[in-house]
Amino acid sequence: AQSVAQPEDQVNVAEGNPLTVKCTYSVSGNPYLFWYVQYPNRGLQFLLKYITGDNLVKGSYGFEAEFNKSQTSFHLKKPSALVSDSALYFCAVRDMADTPLVFGKGTRLSVIA
Amino acid sequence: AAGVIQSPRHLIKEKRETATLKCYPIPRHDTVYWYQQGPGQDPQFLISFYEKMQSDKGSIPDRFSAQQFSDYHSELNMSSLELGDSALYFCASSTSTGVPGANVLTFGAGSRLTVL
Repeated sequence: AQSVAQPEDQVNVAEGNPLTVKCTYSVSGNPYLFWYVQYPNRGLQFLLKYITGDNLVKGSYGFEAEFNKSQTSFHLKKPSALVSDSALYFCAVRDMADTPLVFGKGTRLSVIA
Repeated sequence: AAGVIQSPRHLIKEKRETATLKCYPIPRHDTVYWYQQGPGQDPQFLISFYEKMQSDKGSIPDRFSAQQFSDYHSELNMSSLELGDSALYFCASSTSTGVPGANVLTFGAGSRLTVL
């Protein structure tokens, strides 16, 4: 069964600094990896996904993520954080069999002005 | 662009009562998923439907049932409600075209159920 680990419950970053939100995964085959963001009392919004190809994936709002197969990681990054990036970030995985998306526990990002 | 519509947005029920949540997927999306998110928790998969047939089942209690109708909307029925059922219930939809597993799930805003 697939699983996702987000080792940090909370990440604090100063505005303008680069940010990284960590994610590692476990699947039996090749993974399909996703990042979603959740603002208070809102649904989950899709940021980006890795399916195949280039290991660096670019997504919405200036976010990007790097797929590392040897480390089974898919860390979310942004070169310059904004206060408005403060939210809850979920990493998710599914395998090639189109099984339901499995989410990590989430990481709360706080960007401080 | 049309999004996933969920209703009601908020629902308050007493223990042992019944609740029904509705989900209207994005037009031409043929797959619907239901997730439950408890306070401070990650979304947990409950059940999914593809072309009106149940396609996958997760940690859905026996007290809950769901179905997808001919117009592709879906309903989650919850009976004998317990305090622990208080959560945010998300519906998501996707297409099944393209590479299996690669389709993006689009989530609704959620229905917040409070059981007193």
